[in-house]
Amino acid sequence: KQEVTQIPAALSVPEGENLVLNCSFTDSAIYNLQWFRQDPGKGLTSLLLIQSSQREQTSGRLNASLDKSSGRSTLYIAASQPGDSATYLCAALYSNDYKLSFGAGTTVTVRA
Amino acid sequence: EAEVAQSPRYKITEKSQAVAFWCDPISGHATLYWYRQILGQGPELLVQFQDESVVDDSQLPKDRFSAERLKGVDSTLKIQPAELGDSAMYLCASSFEGYNEQFFGPGTRLTVL
Repeated sequence: KQEVTQIPAALSVPEGENLVLNCSFTDSAIYNLQWFRQDPGKGLTSLLLIQSSQREQTSGRLNASLDKSSGRSTLYIAASQPGDSATYLCAALYSNDYKLSFGAGTTVTVRA
Repeated sequence: EAEVAQSPRYKITEKSQAVAFWCDPISGHATLYWYRQILGQGPELLVQFQDESVVDDSQLPKDRFSAERLKGVDSTLKIQPAELGDSAMYLCASSFEGYNEQFFGPGTRLTVL
């Protein structure tokens, strides 16, 4: 089974601190990896997509890296703000079936 | 900016009743997905359409769930009869093709009493 794991399940940081969110996947045969944000009771907002041929992708304060050999992706959020409080999910699209496998998410609280 | 539309946003029903959810994908997106998300977990794929054809419905409980995308545009997901365990968020997503970035709608929160 192609599993995606996100640890920790939750974290709390003071405003201004950089956030580091981890995602690990069991199968290196991924096509791409996508990071999403989900606010309580809402749908998913796509943040970044990294193709398997890429090492990182950046958008504003967000930077995502991908290391296929170690089965890891990391989402960095610089200078966190209370508005960054949400659940962040990663999802791997595997080359064999093109299905997204999701992690359970990391719930982030940024304290003012 | 183009978005995936879903309705209703919330649905409360009693067990054994029928419910239906509607999704309108981003214009031009050939691939449409229905996911179910239980609180505290990541979404799980129920059914995937490529245009009007079902590509994958292996995780769809076909004794009570049905999905259609008759004209290859919008889609309906139906549950009949609803059970207590169906309470969840139902999310619709679309992509240009099956291997591209997926965009999600706001979801329908279903509560079965």
